[in-house]
Amino acid sequence: NSKVIQTPRYLVKGQGQKAKMRCIPEKGHPVVFWYQQNKNNEFKFLINFQNQEVLQQIDMTEKRFSAECPSNSPCSLEIQSSEAGDSALYLCASSRLGGEDTQYFGPGTRLLVL
Amino acid sequence: GDSVTQTEGLVTLTEGLPVMLNCTYQTIYSNPFLFWYVQHLNESPRLLLKSFTDNKRTEHQGFHATLHKSSSSFHLQKSSAQLSDSALYYCALRRMNTGGLSGKLTFGEGTQVTVIS
Repeated sequence: NSKVIQTPRYLVKGQGQKAKMRCIPEKGHPVVFWYQQNKNNEFKFLINFQNQEVLQQIDMTEKRFSAECPSNSPCSLEIQSSEAGDSALYLCASSRLGGEDTQYFGPGTRLLVL
Repeated sequence: GDSVTQTEGLVTLTEGLPVMLNCTYQTIYSNPFLFWYVQHLNESPRLLLKSFTDNKRTEHQGFHATLHKSSSSFHLQKSSAQLSDSALYYCALRRMNTGGLSGKLTFGEGTQVTVIS
């Protein structure tokens, strides 16, 4: 069972507002991923970290989305100015190093932008 | 970039019958890692199976799959469906990035499985 913790579970924001969500990876997992699962259940990778360093991120993330994984603090994903199209389930996953190692998902933060 | 294709969007079957969900992938990476995740309603995805060894069958919780690199496939099968198998099933691919660092998962579109009695 996954031990990834995500808060809050639900987030409701108005358009243009900031939306911030947090993730505590499983102990011993240095790699953290953020994915967006939209209303059609499609997954989109957003960004990943190894410890505090960004490994990969998509273009969308570079503009309105910001993320960090500070040492000894939860990782976070923040949308600077929420849009209706950002309404989705945001999933954090963590894993050990290694391609065969499983990514374990947290329960997700469901964001609704009104 | 990488891509994963799941041809069945919706599958409805009767309890006790076999299940087969198709998964094919495209990647230029010669040693991809393939995964099946299951997502029950209002839950997050959970690993069902994984493989990176060509032509080796992997099994878990009654499900099995074999990675066939020659056909770029990783189909999921179960001999007898149960009501509790009703869920979304995702096939996903992962490659090792340069420097040996773990790469992102590329997911297929998902297959919604509904098992009826």
